Amino acid sequence: AQSVTQLDSQVPVFEEAPVELRCNYSSSVSVYLFWYVQYPNQGLQLLLKYLSGSTLVKGINGFEAEFNKSQTSFHLRKPSVHISDTAEYFCAVSEGRGGGSNYKLTFGKGTLLTVNP
Amino acid sequence: DSGVTQTPKHLITATGQRVTLRCSPRSGDLSVYWYQQSLDQGLQFLIQYYNGEERAKGNILERFSAQQFPDLHSELNLSSLELGDSALYFCASSVASSNSPLHFGNGTRLTVT
Repeated sequence: AQSVTQLDSQVPVFEEAPVELRCNYSSSVSVYLFWYVQYPNQGLQLLLKYLSGSTLVKGINGFEAEFNKSQTSFHLRKPSVHISDTAEYFCAVSEGRGGGSNYKLTFGKGTLLTVNP
Repeated sequence: DSGVTQTPKHLITATGQRVTLRCSPRSGDLSVYWYQQSLDQGLQFLIQYYNGEERAKGNILERFSAQQFPDLHSELNLSSLELGDSALYFCASSVASSNSPLHFGNGTRLTVT
């Protein structure tokens, strides 16, 4: 069974500082990886995804993530954060089955990023 | 705007009662997922429907049930409610292949008193 571990439940940073949110996964098969963001009182929205190909993927709002198969990690980074990046971030994994109509996305417990002025 | 609509936004009810949460998926998406989000458990997958049929089941209690109708909207029914059922319930939709992202609604906040 697949699982996701987000190593930090809370990450406080100052505005314009770099940030890394850590995510490790476990799965016995190939995986697809996602990062979602949840702003207060809203649903989750997709930041970026890794399906195949280049291990460095770029997403919205200046975020990027690197897939490392040997370390089973998919850490999220941003070189300079803004106050508006304050939100909860979720790493998620689905097992690659080459398509099909039934699968479930497994989420980590989330990392609350707080950007302070 | 994700295109996924959930109603109602808020629901307050008493223990022992039954409620129905409704979800309209994004246009063209055949698959609907229900998730429960609480402070202690995080985001828990409950159940998935694809084109009217149940396809995957997660940590869904026997007191909970769901269905997807021919017009693809879905309902999550929660009965014999307990205080611990208080949570945010999210619906998401996708085209239902394993590399497709989910599109989430804004959730229904259920408070059981």
